[in-house]
Amino acid sequence: SQQGEEDPQALSIQEGENATMNCSYKTSINNLQWYRQNSGRGLVHLILIRSNEREKHSGRLRVTLDTSKKSSSLLITASRAADTASYFCAATGGGGADGLTFGKGTHLIIQP
Amino acid sequence: SQTIHQWPATLVQPVGSPLSLECTVEGTSNPNLYWYRQAAGRGLQLLFYSVGIGQISSEVPQNLSASRPQDRQFILSSKKLLLSDSGFYLCAWSWAGRGDTQYFGPGTRLTVL
Repeated sequence: SQQGEEDPQALSIQEGENATMNCSYKTSINNLQWYRQNSGRGLVHLILIRSNEREKHSGRLRVTLDTSKKSSSLLITASRAADTASYFCAATGGGGADGLTFGKGTHLIIQP
Repeated sequence: SQTIHQWPATLVQPVGSPLSLECTVEGTSNPNLYWYRQAAGRGLQLLFYSVGIGQISSEVPQNLSASRPQDRQFILSSKKLLLSDSGFYLCAWSWAGRGDTQYFGPGTRLTVL
């Protein structure tokens, strides 16, 4: 796997607004995933997008993938206080069992 | 359904003491297992992964070791802890043969004093 770099490092928005986070990677991939981590907890898998997909939705989440730019974005619509967390991306290049490499994440704060 | 357990949840240990963190998975067979460490304000660092009993791959040289004595048990150990071993330790599993989607445990907060 390779490291994804999330941007911005921190994001603070008002409840109800949309939040957009970005991820960049360096080499070709098979898929890219987004995870959420609430403070002091384990990571929770949110969504996986494959290299042949450009956009994927899951509830209030929308993920896009641009393989030409080696980047992905995660959009959370109609944010809620419970969305406050750190968000990480991880890109994988093969089907092996090696672990994921995460960046420092984007710390999202939803202001009530 | 599958569940993953880690214990203890928190641990405070003196420098030079031994360490043993345990991770178990229920509801699946022959999972891939992983240990990660997260230092304060930083991303996750992969420490070890295992594709089967007794098979351990190490990602970084360090003061830690891992063992997989049973199919669904993964143990992280140290003979002598260092201050730099402090952090949040996460165990994760994925389906056999696949390393993409991983499912994480609740983590162990280790403080070395």
